[in-house]
Amino acid sequence: AQTVTQSQPEMSVQEAETVTLSCTYDTSESDYYLFWYKQPPSRQMILVIRQEAYKQQNATENRFSVNFQKAAKSFSLKISDSQLGDAAMYFCAYLFNSGGSNYKLTFGKGTLLTVNP
Amino acid sequence: KAGVTQTPRYLIKTRGQQVTLSCSPISGHRSVSWYQQTPGQGLQFLFEYFSETQRNKGNFPGRFSGRQFSNSRSEMNVSTLELGDSALYLCASSIRQGTYEQYFGPGTRLTVT
Repeated sequence: AQTVTQSQPEMSVQEAETVTLSCTYDTSESDYYLFWYKQPPSRQMILVIRQEAYKQQNATENRFSVNFQKAAKSFSLKISDSQLGDAAMYFCAYLFNSGGSNYKLTFGKGTLLTVNP
Repeated sequence: KAGVTQTPRYLIKTRGQQVTLSCSPISGHRSVSWYQQTPGQGLQFLFEYFSETQRNKGNFPGRFSGRQFSNSRSEMNVSTLELGDSALYLCASSIRQGTYEQYFGPGTRLTVT
């Protein structure tokens, strides 16, 4: 079964500094997608960044970038120049097609990020 | 474009009752997925609907069901509510089935007493 593990329940960072959130996953598939979602106190889930497994280049979105290590099944999120608005719960998620029309997202337990002014 | 909307936002029910939650996807999106979020179990996939058909289902009992209408709006129903059904229920829409671009609604907070 596919599982997603976020080993850091909580992290904190000073404003303007850089923080890295860890995620590992377990799969026997070769073609899949990985995501980081952000859930602020409002509870609205927001897609932060995505990575296609077949792409070797790490995805970047402004201050957010990932370090995708396919062989190690690792997918970490780096937030540069952290801002107060980055404070949220961050979820790592995995999506694959097991055949036919069978798709679903599997989420990790989340990492609560605090940004200190 | 308006985002995904969910109604109601908050709901309080008693054990044994049933409840229906509604989700309106982003205009043009045809796939709707439902997730349950609890402090203990985290985010768990319930089911996905595409073109009015359930395409995929998570590991939940038959008390959890859903449907999708021709305008892509979706409803989720939980019958014979249990205390453990208290959760945030999230709906996500995407343009087509299985696409990785899922957009989430604000959720419905269900409390079962």
